[in-house]
Amino acid sequence: KNEVEQSPQNLTAQEGEFITINCSYSVGISALHWLQQHPGGGIVSLFMLSSGKKKHGRLIATINIQEKHSSLHITASHPRDSAVYICAVRPRASGGGADGLTFGKGTHLIIQP
Amino acid sequence: NAGVTQTPKFQVLKTGQSMTLQCAQDMNHEYMSWYRQDPGMGLRLIHYSVGAGITDQGEVPNGYNVSRSTTEDFPLRLLSAAPSQTSVYFCASSYSGGPGNGYTFGSGTRLTVV
Repeated sequence: KNEVEQSPQNLTAQEGEFITINCSYSVGISALHWLQQHPGGGIVSLFMLSSGKKKHGRLIATINIQEKHSSLHITASHPRDSAVYICAVRPRASGGGADGLTFGKGTHLIIQP
Repeated sequence: NAGVTQTPKFQVLKTGQSMTLQCAQDMNHEYMSWYRQDPGMGLRLIHYSVGAGITDQGEVPNGYNVSRSTTEDFPLRLLSAAPSQTSVYFCASSYSGGPGNGYTFGSGTRLTVV
């Protein structure tokens, strides 16, 4: 079973297009993270959300706790946005202690010039 | 530069060999964790630590050992390497692991077991 589902798995778009990546999860969470992994392999944290919406430059992340759903949007997409975008959730802790993140499989995004 | 440092970046082992993947952070983060990333699968938690002297198992702990003698270091030991442990390994840290804190990831270690 995969507690975190991302869609689409692969996305190819033209430069300038508005991009949406979706993440659905099945467990109660205390936080949701959006991560970016470039072809070189390094992972960068983009957003951490527990409610509402966050914006950083051309990136926007939203979360609906009731519906267990989050979206990552990229406006005015650019070839340098090409990467794997990963959704990860931190399940609500049970009995104390941090139990790490549960990850989606990632969305492979290619932005063509 | 402050962050999470992983060494080595690449390693090839023979089946049965042991080795230690190093992870160090200089941000005074209490929470540290190890993940493995395999093709077609999301990252999976191997072990984590909420502070010096405290470690616990994640989703896929078999074949791995960890210790946390200092806040800064969280090494991952492969006791007897197997081809199934061929993967990319990431170390991550967070101020407390709590919901209000983001994670910082290391650059990864690509391990091949032959």
